[in-house]
Amino acid sequence: QVQLQESGPGLVKPSGTLSLTCVVSGGSISSSNWWSWVRQPPGKGLEWIGEIYHSGSTNYNPSLKSRVTISVDKSKNQLSLNLSSVTAADTAVYYCARWYWQIAATGTMEDWFDPWGQGTLVTVSS
Amino acid sequence: SSELTQDPAVSVALGQTVRITCQGDSLRSYYASWYQQKPGQAPVLVIYGKNNRPSGIPDRFSGSSSGNTASLTITGAQAEDEADYYCNSRDSSGNHKVFGGGTKLTVL
Repeated sequence: QVQLQESGPGLVKPSGTLSLTCVVSGGSISSSNWWSWVRQPPGKGLEWIGEIYHSGSTNYNPSLKSRVTISVDKSKNQLSLNLSSVTAADTAVYYCARWYWQIAATGTMEDWFDPWGQGTLVTVSS
Repeated sequence: SSELTQDPAVSVALGQTVRITCQGDSLRSYYASWYQQKPGQAPVLVIYGKNNRPSGIPDRFSGSSSGNTASLTITGAQAEDEADYYCNSRDSSGNHKVFGGGTKLTVL
């Protein structure tokens, strides 16, 4: 079964760049799925950051698009997140997740996030 | 603000039935998926599509949809169901994913 594991610095200085990696194990990142980053500020809800397909195609949350880059390294079976010009508001637990979809018998698309990584806390502070 | 709206908090007596709702225009075109999150843990998928449960999710969890509202129903809520629940679907453009603000479920 597919498992995801995030890693990266737990502390980033304001105005710096947050960089995280998510390693995919138990399956290929080149399978027909999109791979997403989701974050959760302390005590708050989930926010979708963006996603990437193994071809390199990306979609980003419009509210973060100017600062976000998501990339994929097929040779290492991993995806990465870069978030630039960070502030304290970017302090959060960052998750990677696989976005999976299928066409139901009704002809409607069903989609979901599963599995999720365990998440990694990134604090933005000087 | 999220394009998917959830009640911030809901409570249910042990063993009773509770419905958690998610409203948004995109739900007229797309199914919602539902996630359970307990403190300090990653979200866990509980319902996807019309009404599908992943392996390992108890059958007391079910999903439904009508118009612009998706619902997660827990029939016979248990103490271990106390958690935050999030819905997910698309934004109004259909091009981006979006989560509801989350509902904190308390089992009394």
